[in-house]
Parts: sequence; C-alpha cells; structure tokens
Amino acid sequence: DAKTTQPNSMESNEEEPVHLPCNHSTISGTDYIHWYRQLPSQGPEYVIHGLTSNVNNRMASLAIAEDRKSSTLILHRATLRDAAVYYCILRVNTPLVFGKGTRLSVIA
Amino acid sequence: DAGITQSPRHKVTETGTPVTLRCHQTENHRYMYWYRQDPGHGLRLIHYSYGVKDTDKGEVSDGYSVSRSKTEDFLLTLESATSSQTSVYFCAISDGTGGVDEQFFGPGTRLTVL
Repeated sequence: DAKTTQPNSMESNEEEPVHLPCNHSTISGTDYIHWYRQLPSQGPEYVIHGLTSNVNNRMASLAIAEDRKSSTLILHRATLRDAAVYYCILRVNTPLVFGKGTRLSVIA
Repeated sequence: DAGITQSPRHKVTETGTPVTLRCHQTENHRYMYWYRQDPGHGLRLIHYSYGVKDTDKGEVSDGYSVSRSKTEDFLLTLESATSSQTSVYFCAISDGTGGVDEQFFGPGTRLTVL
C-alpha cells in the first residue's frame, strides 16, 4: 500500500479552523484518499474521501493538491468533540491500512 | 450508526486459555474485518472475510483464526491466548473494498491476557 505521512500531533483553539496535512508522494492514479478519525475509547469513523477534486461534507472539507501528492483535511470550526486521532489513508481495492495518524488536541 | 455489535466488550483471561470474540452486523454487508490496536502501533488488520466461509489473512494473523458461517457473524478465536494478545480488538464491515467504500467500525473489545 502507498504510504502517507502525517504530523504526530497538532493543537487548535476551539472555534478556529484546523488544517490537517497529509503527504502521499507515491500515490497512484487509482488510489482514493480517505480520512478517518478515532475519538477517545471509540472505533474509527469515516470522515471524508476524494480522488482528484476537492470534497465537502457536513463534517469537513478535503483539499487535494493538483499533483495529488498531498492533501489537507479542513475542519472549519474545531469543537472539543473534534479532539481525536485523524488518519489519512490511501485506498484502492484493499482493506484499510492505518498509520499512526495525527492526534488533534482542541483547547477551550 | 451502522449496526455492529461486539461481544464481549471486556474480557480478562489467563494465558493458555481459548478465547472467542464475536462481531455481529445487521447491515448485510459482504466484508467483515478484525483489527487490533496497541499503543504505538495504531490499528493492524488480523483477518478479514469477503463472504460466508471466505476469509483471508491480514498483517498480524499469527495466533488467530476466524470463522464466518453466516453473513451477519464473524468470529475471532485465540486458540491459546498469550500476554502479547492483550489489546483492543475492533470489528469493521463494508459493502466492498473499492476506493469509494466506507468501513464502519464496532465499539471494540478490550481483552486482557494475564
């Protein structure tokens, strides 16, 4: 599986936007970019996915670089409930393979 | 929330005893997965199933076996539990493994092997 690189941790103030980066320089043309998050003491949950174009849903936005070698998950207004580990995963036709993700802390 | 339940939610057992964890879904999804999560390792795939009686190994399958006799149930068995298998186990389901398919995760089972 193609590898992704994320910062180990990030911090944000409540109600401010958060930009979580992910590098995937070896991405192939058929890899979809998925983001999942894991709240404390829970299983991971789906956040968003995209292939080439930017995507928006009720939880977040996904900005994909034109060369697809990086992407950014955008939380428009962080809340305390958004404190979690965020995983950036490349996927084509296999089960999800998780890295260590980025631990996001949100400060009130 | 996707209809996934795991049982038991917590279990303490002793080294050498057999343990079976159950994952039950009500979504009629084709694929089911077992992951384990340990500090410093993130989630790692143990086994997965792509249909009744069809299973395949994941990254960390040694010491584990699985069975799927019905669409809705996926069992994970530790034939002889060891302390290294102390972990949190997550079950997941999906309709497919394509790039657009979402995996839904259960609440987890915390297993302690003494």
